[in-house]
Amino acid sequence: DAGVIQSPRHEVTEMGQEVTLRCKPISGHDYLFWYRQTMMRGLELLIYFNNNVPIDDSGMPEDRFSAKMPNASFSTLKIQPSEPRDSAVYFCASSLLSPQTQYFGPGTRLLVL
Amino acid sequence: GESVGLHLPTLSVQEGDNSIINCAYSNSASDYFIWYKQESGKGPQFIIDIRSNMDKRQGQRVTVLLNKTVKHLSLQIAATQPGDSAVYFCAESGAGSYQLTFGKGTKLSVIP
Repeated sequence: DAGVIQSPRHEVTEMGQEVTLRCKPISGHDYLFWYRQTMMRGLELLIYFNNNVPIDDSGMPEDRFSAKMPNASFSTLKIQPSEPRDSAVYFCASSLLSPQTQYFGPGTRLLVL
Repeated sequence: GESVGLHLPTLSVQEGDNSIINCAYSNSASDYFIWYKQESGKGPQFIIDIRSNMDKRQGQRVTVLLNKTVKHLSLQIAATQPGDSAVYFCAESGAGSYQLTFGKGTKLSVIP
């Protein structure tokens, strides 16, 4: 298996622009998680899905953030409009029967100027 | 060990020596613990996990020890190699929870 796939790997954009991050979980995994990592706050859970349904989005910082999972093999995290403080590395992770054992993708490094 | 501060604690170890990375947790209801390794520019990589009904679990060159009395977790790496240089995170989860709460991480530097 190729593991969790994320795109793009790097994104540089200007404040106010829309940013869309993409994730393909490991085939067969039922849970998908979006995290944000910064030096100041470490790894923060933003939202997670079970069988394509959002279960807990309490970590989503603001209404500017939204996430979707239209099918079992694809999820997006969208920021609109983006702000400089959104600059971080965004990780997607998926898990199977043991939900706590999460497998992470390589991340998307976002820089908002 | 783990820190709630803004900077990562660093552990420097000579190649070939054993490494011990510590983690303190606060939730006495946590029943699942996991260690991740994160190399520069990569996502966290699963190393080993342990449930609260165990005190010790061994993998290849790694051992995790759990002391529930003092809410302490440690990762031991035997014969540390340069490829072990990374940031190591512990994470915990409560009973029935699908969420992991991550620590701030410890940076391990291996001196050749």
